[in-house]
Amino acid sequence: DARVTQTPRDKVTEMGQEVTMRCQPILGHNTVFWYRQTMMQGLELLAYFRNRAPLDDSGMPKDRFSAEMPDATLATLKIQPSEPRDSAVYFCASGLGGGTGELFFGEGSRLTVL
Amino acid sequence: KQEVTQIPAALSVPEGENLVLNCSFTDSAIYNLQWFRQDPGKGLTSLLLIQSSQREQTSGRLNASLDKSSGRSTLYIAASQPGDSATYLCAARAGGYNKLIFGAGTRLAVHP
Repeated sequence: DARVTQTPRDKVTEMGQEVTMRCQPILGHNTVFWYRQTMMQGLELLAYFRNRAPLDDSGMPKDRFSAEMPDATLATLKIQPSEPRDSAVYFCASGLGGGTGELFFGEGSRLTVL
Repeated sequence: KQEVTQIPAALSVPEGENLVLNCSFTDSAIYNLQWFRQDPGKGLTSLLLIQSSQREQTSGRLNASLDKSSGRSTLYIAASQPGDSATYLCAARAGGYNKLIFGAGTRLAVHP
């Protein structure tokens, strides 16, 4: 059963600490999205990769967030230093093709920054 | 800039009712529109994907329609069941990088 896998599922950390979230897209998918979900803002797009190249990260706070795809089976989202306002659920999604394909989401990583 | 709006924000219905969830988008130049379901504390499950050239898609008791010219999509749920209780999100794929832009969702409660 192909699915997007995200780790960790839950993370509690203190302000100022570095946080790394990982995503394994569905094998063969060439597009990867990172979203953040909060009660106030809903789902916000943070970054978008196609064929491992970053296409759009305009939704991501550049001073503390970074997103990479070291290889086709791994996408990472890093926050350094973390702040309480970063508390949210972070979702990774993957899909096929240049933009018309269906997207499949992981279960999310719930981050709490104290 | 693409904006997606969902109405109503919340809906409570008795079991067995047929219901319609609405989604509107501001930029009609979309590639596709996708409907998702999200259960509390869970990820998003894809329900239906409608390409820009299509008018509707059906899966079981679900039917989604798309009217690009008016910037609207509807999700029709027939014979609702308590297990349908969840948040339903629509998302439009548009823009130069084919971003998926989400609405705020409709929180549905189906009571026995």
